[in-house]
Amino acid sequence: DAMVIQNPRYQVTQFGKPVTLSCSQTLNHNVMYWYQQKSSQAPKLLFHYYDKDFNNEADTPDNFQSRRPNTSFCFLDIRSPGLGDAAMYLCATSRAENQPQHFGDGTRLSIL
Amino acid sequence: DAKTTQPPSMDCAEGRAANLPCNHSTISGNEYVYWYRQIHSQGPQYIIHGLKNNETNEMASLIITEDRKSSTLILPHATLRDTAVYYCIVRLYRKLIWGLGTSLAVNP
Repeated sequence: DAMVIQNPRYQVTQFGKPVTLSCSQTLNHNVMYWYQQKSSQAPKLLFHYYDKDFNNEADTPDNFQSRRPNTSFCFLDIRSPGLGDAAMYLCATSRAENQPQHFGDGTRLSIL
Repeated sequence: DAKTTQPPSMDCAEGRAANLPCNHSTISGNEYVYWYRQIHSQGPQYIIHGLKNNETNEMASLIITEDRKSSTLILPHATLRDTAVYYCIVRLYRKLIWGLGTSLAVNP
């Protein structure tokens, strides 16, 4: 009964080759978040959607983009992955921006 | 910048209470304290949150000092499945400010 689903769990891409990570939710939450988590570090917020409103964090590189075509799905696009983008990418949802966030189990991205 | 300070690691015997401390001396009056945990290779899991009062749910209890400068997460009867990294977090409006976490090892 997974509520925030991330596919695939593991993704390998080549240096510079665009990659898309996906997230879906069955909670019907208004807010969806994307985080980057590197080894032994806390998650770092990249951006989030409140409904269709996109909110980018000031220090998120332009290389990272996102799309939310409907309430249930959200995508993270990395246009030209570099070696430093290898990380776990976590999707989370919440009913509202001031409510607890529910996380998926992440997609671990490797760059060759 | 992290607004919380936690010990990097702790040990606890199975069946005993695990008390995880957190300092947040610069917390503002409208900032909540949140606790999440992350089991290896999984996403973070919400545990509990509070503003001023102590809170309890089916997972844990949260004790916040009167001056709100520190808090303690209590797992009343730790099991091996509670082995995880526990993050003490301050929430300001919509943003979670994550600490570095405490790696809790529950030993048989």
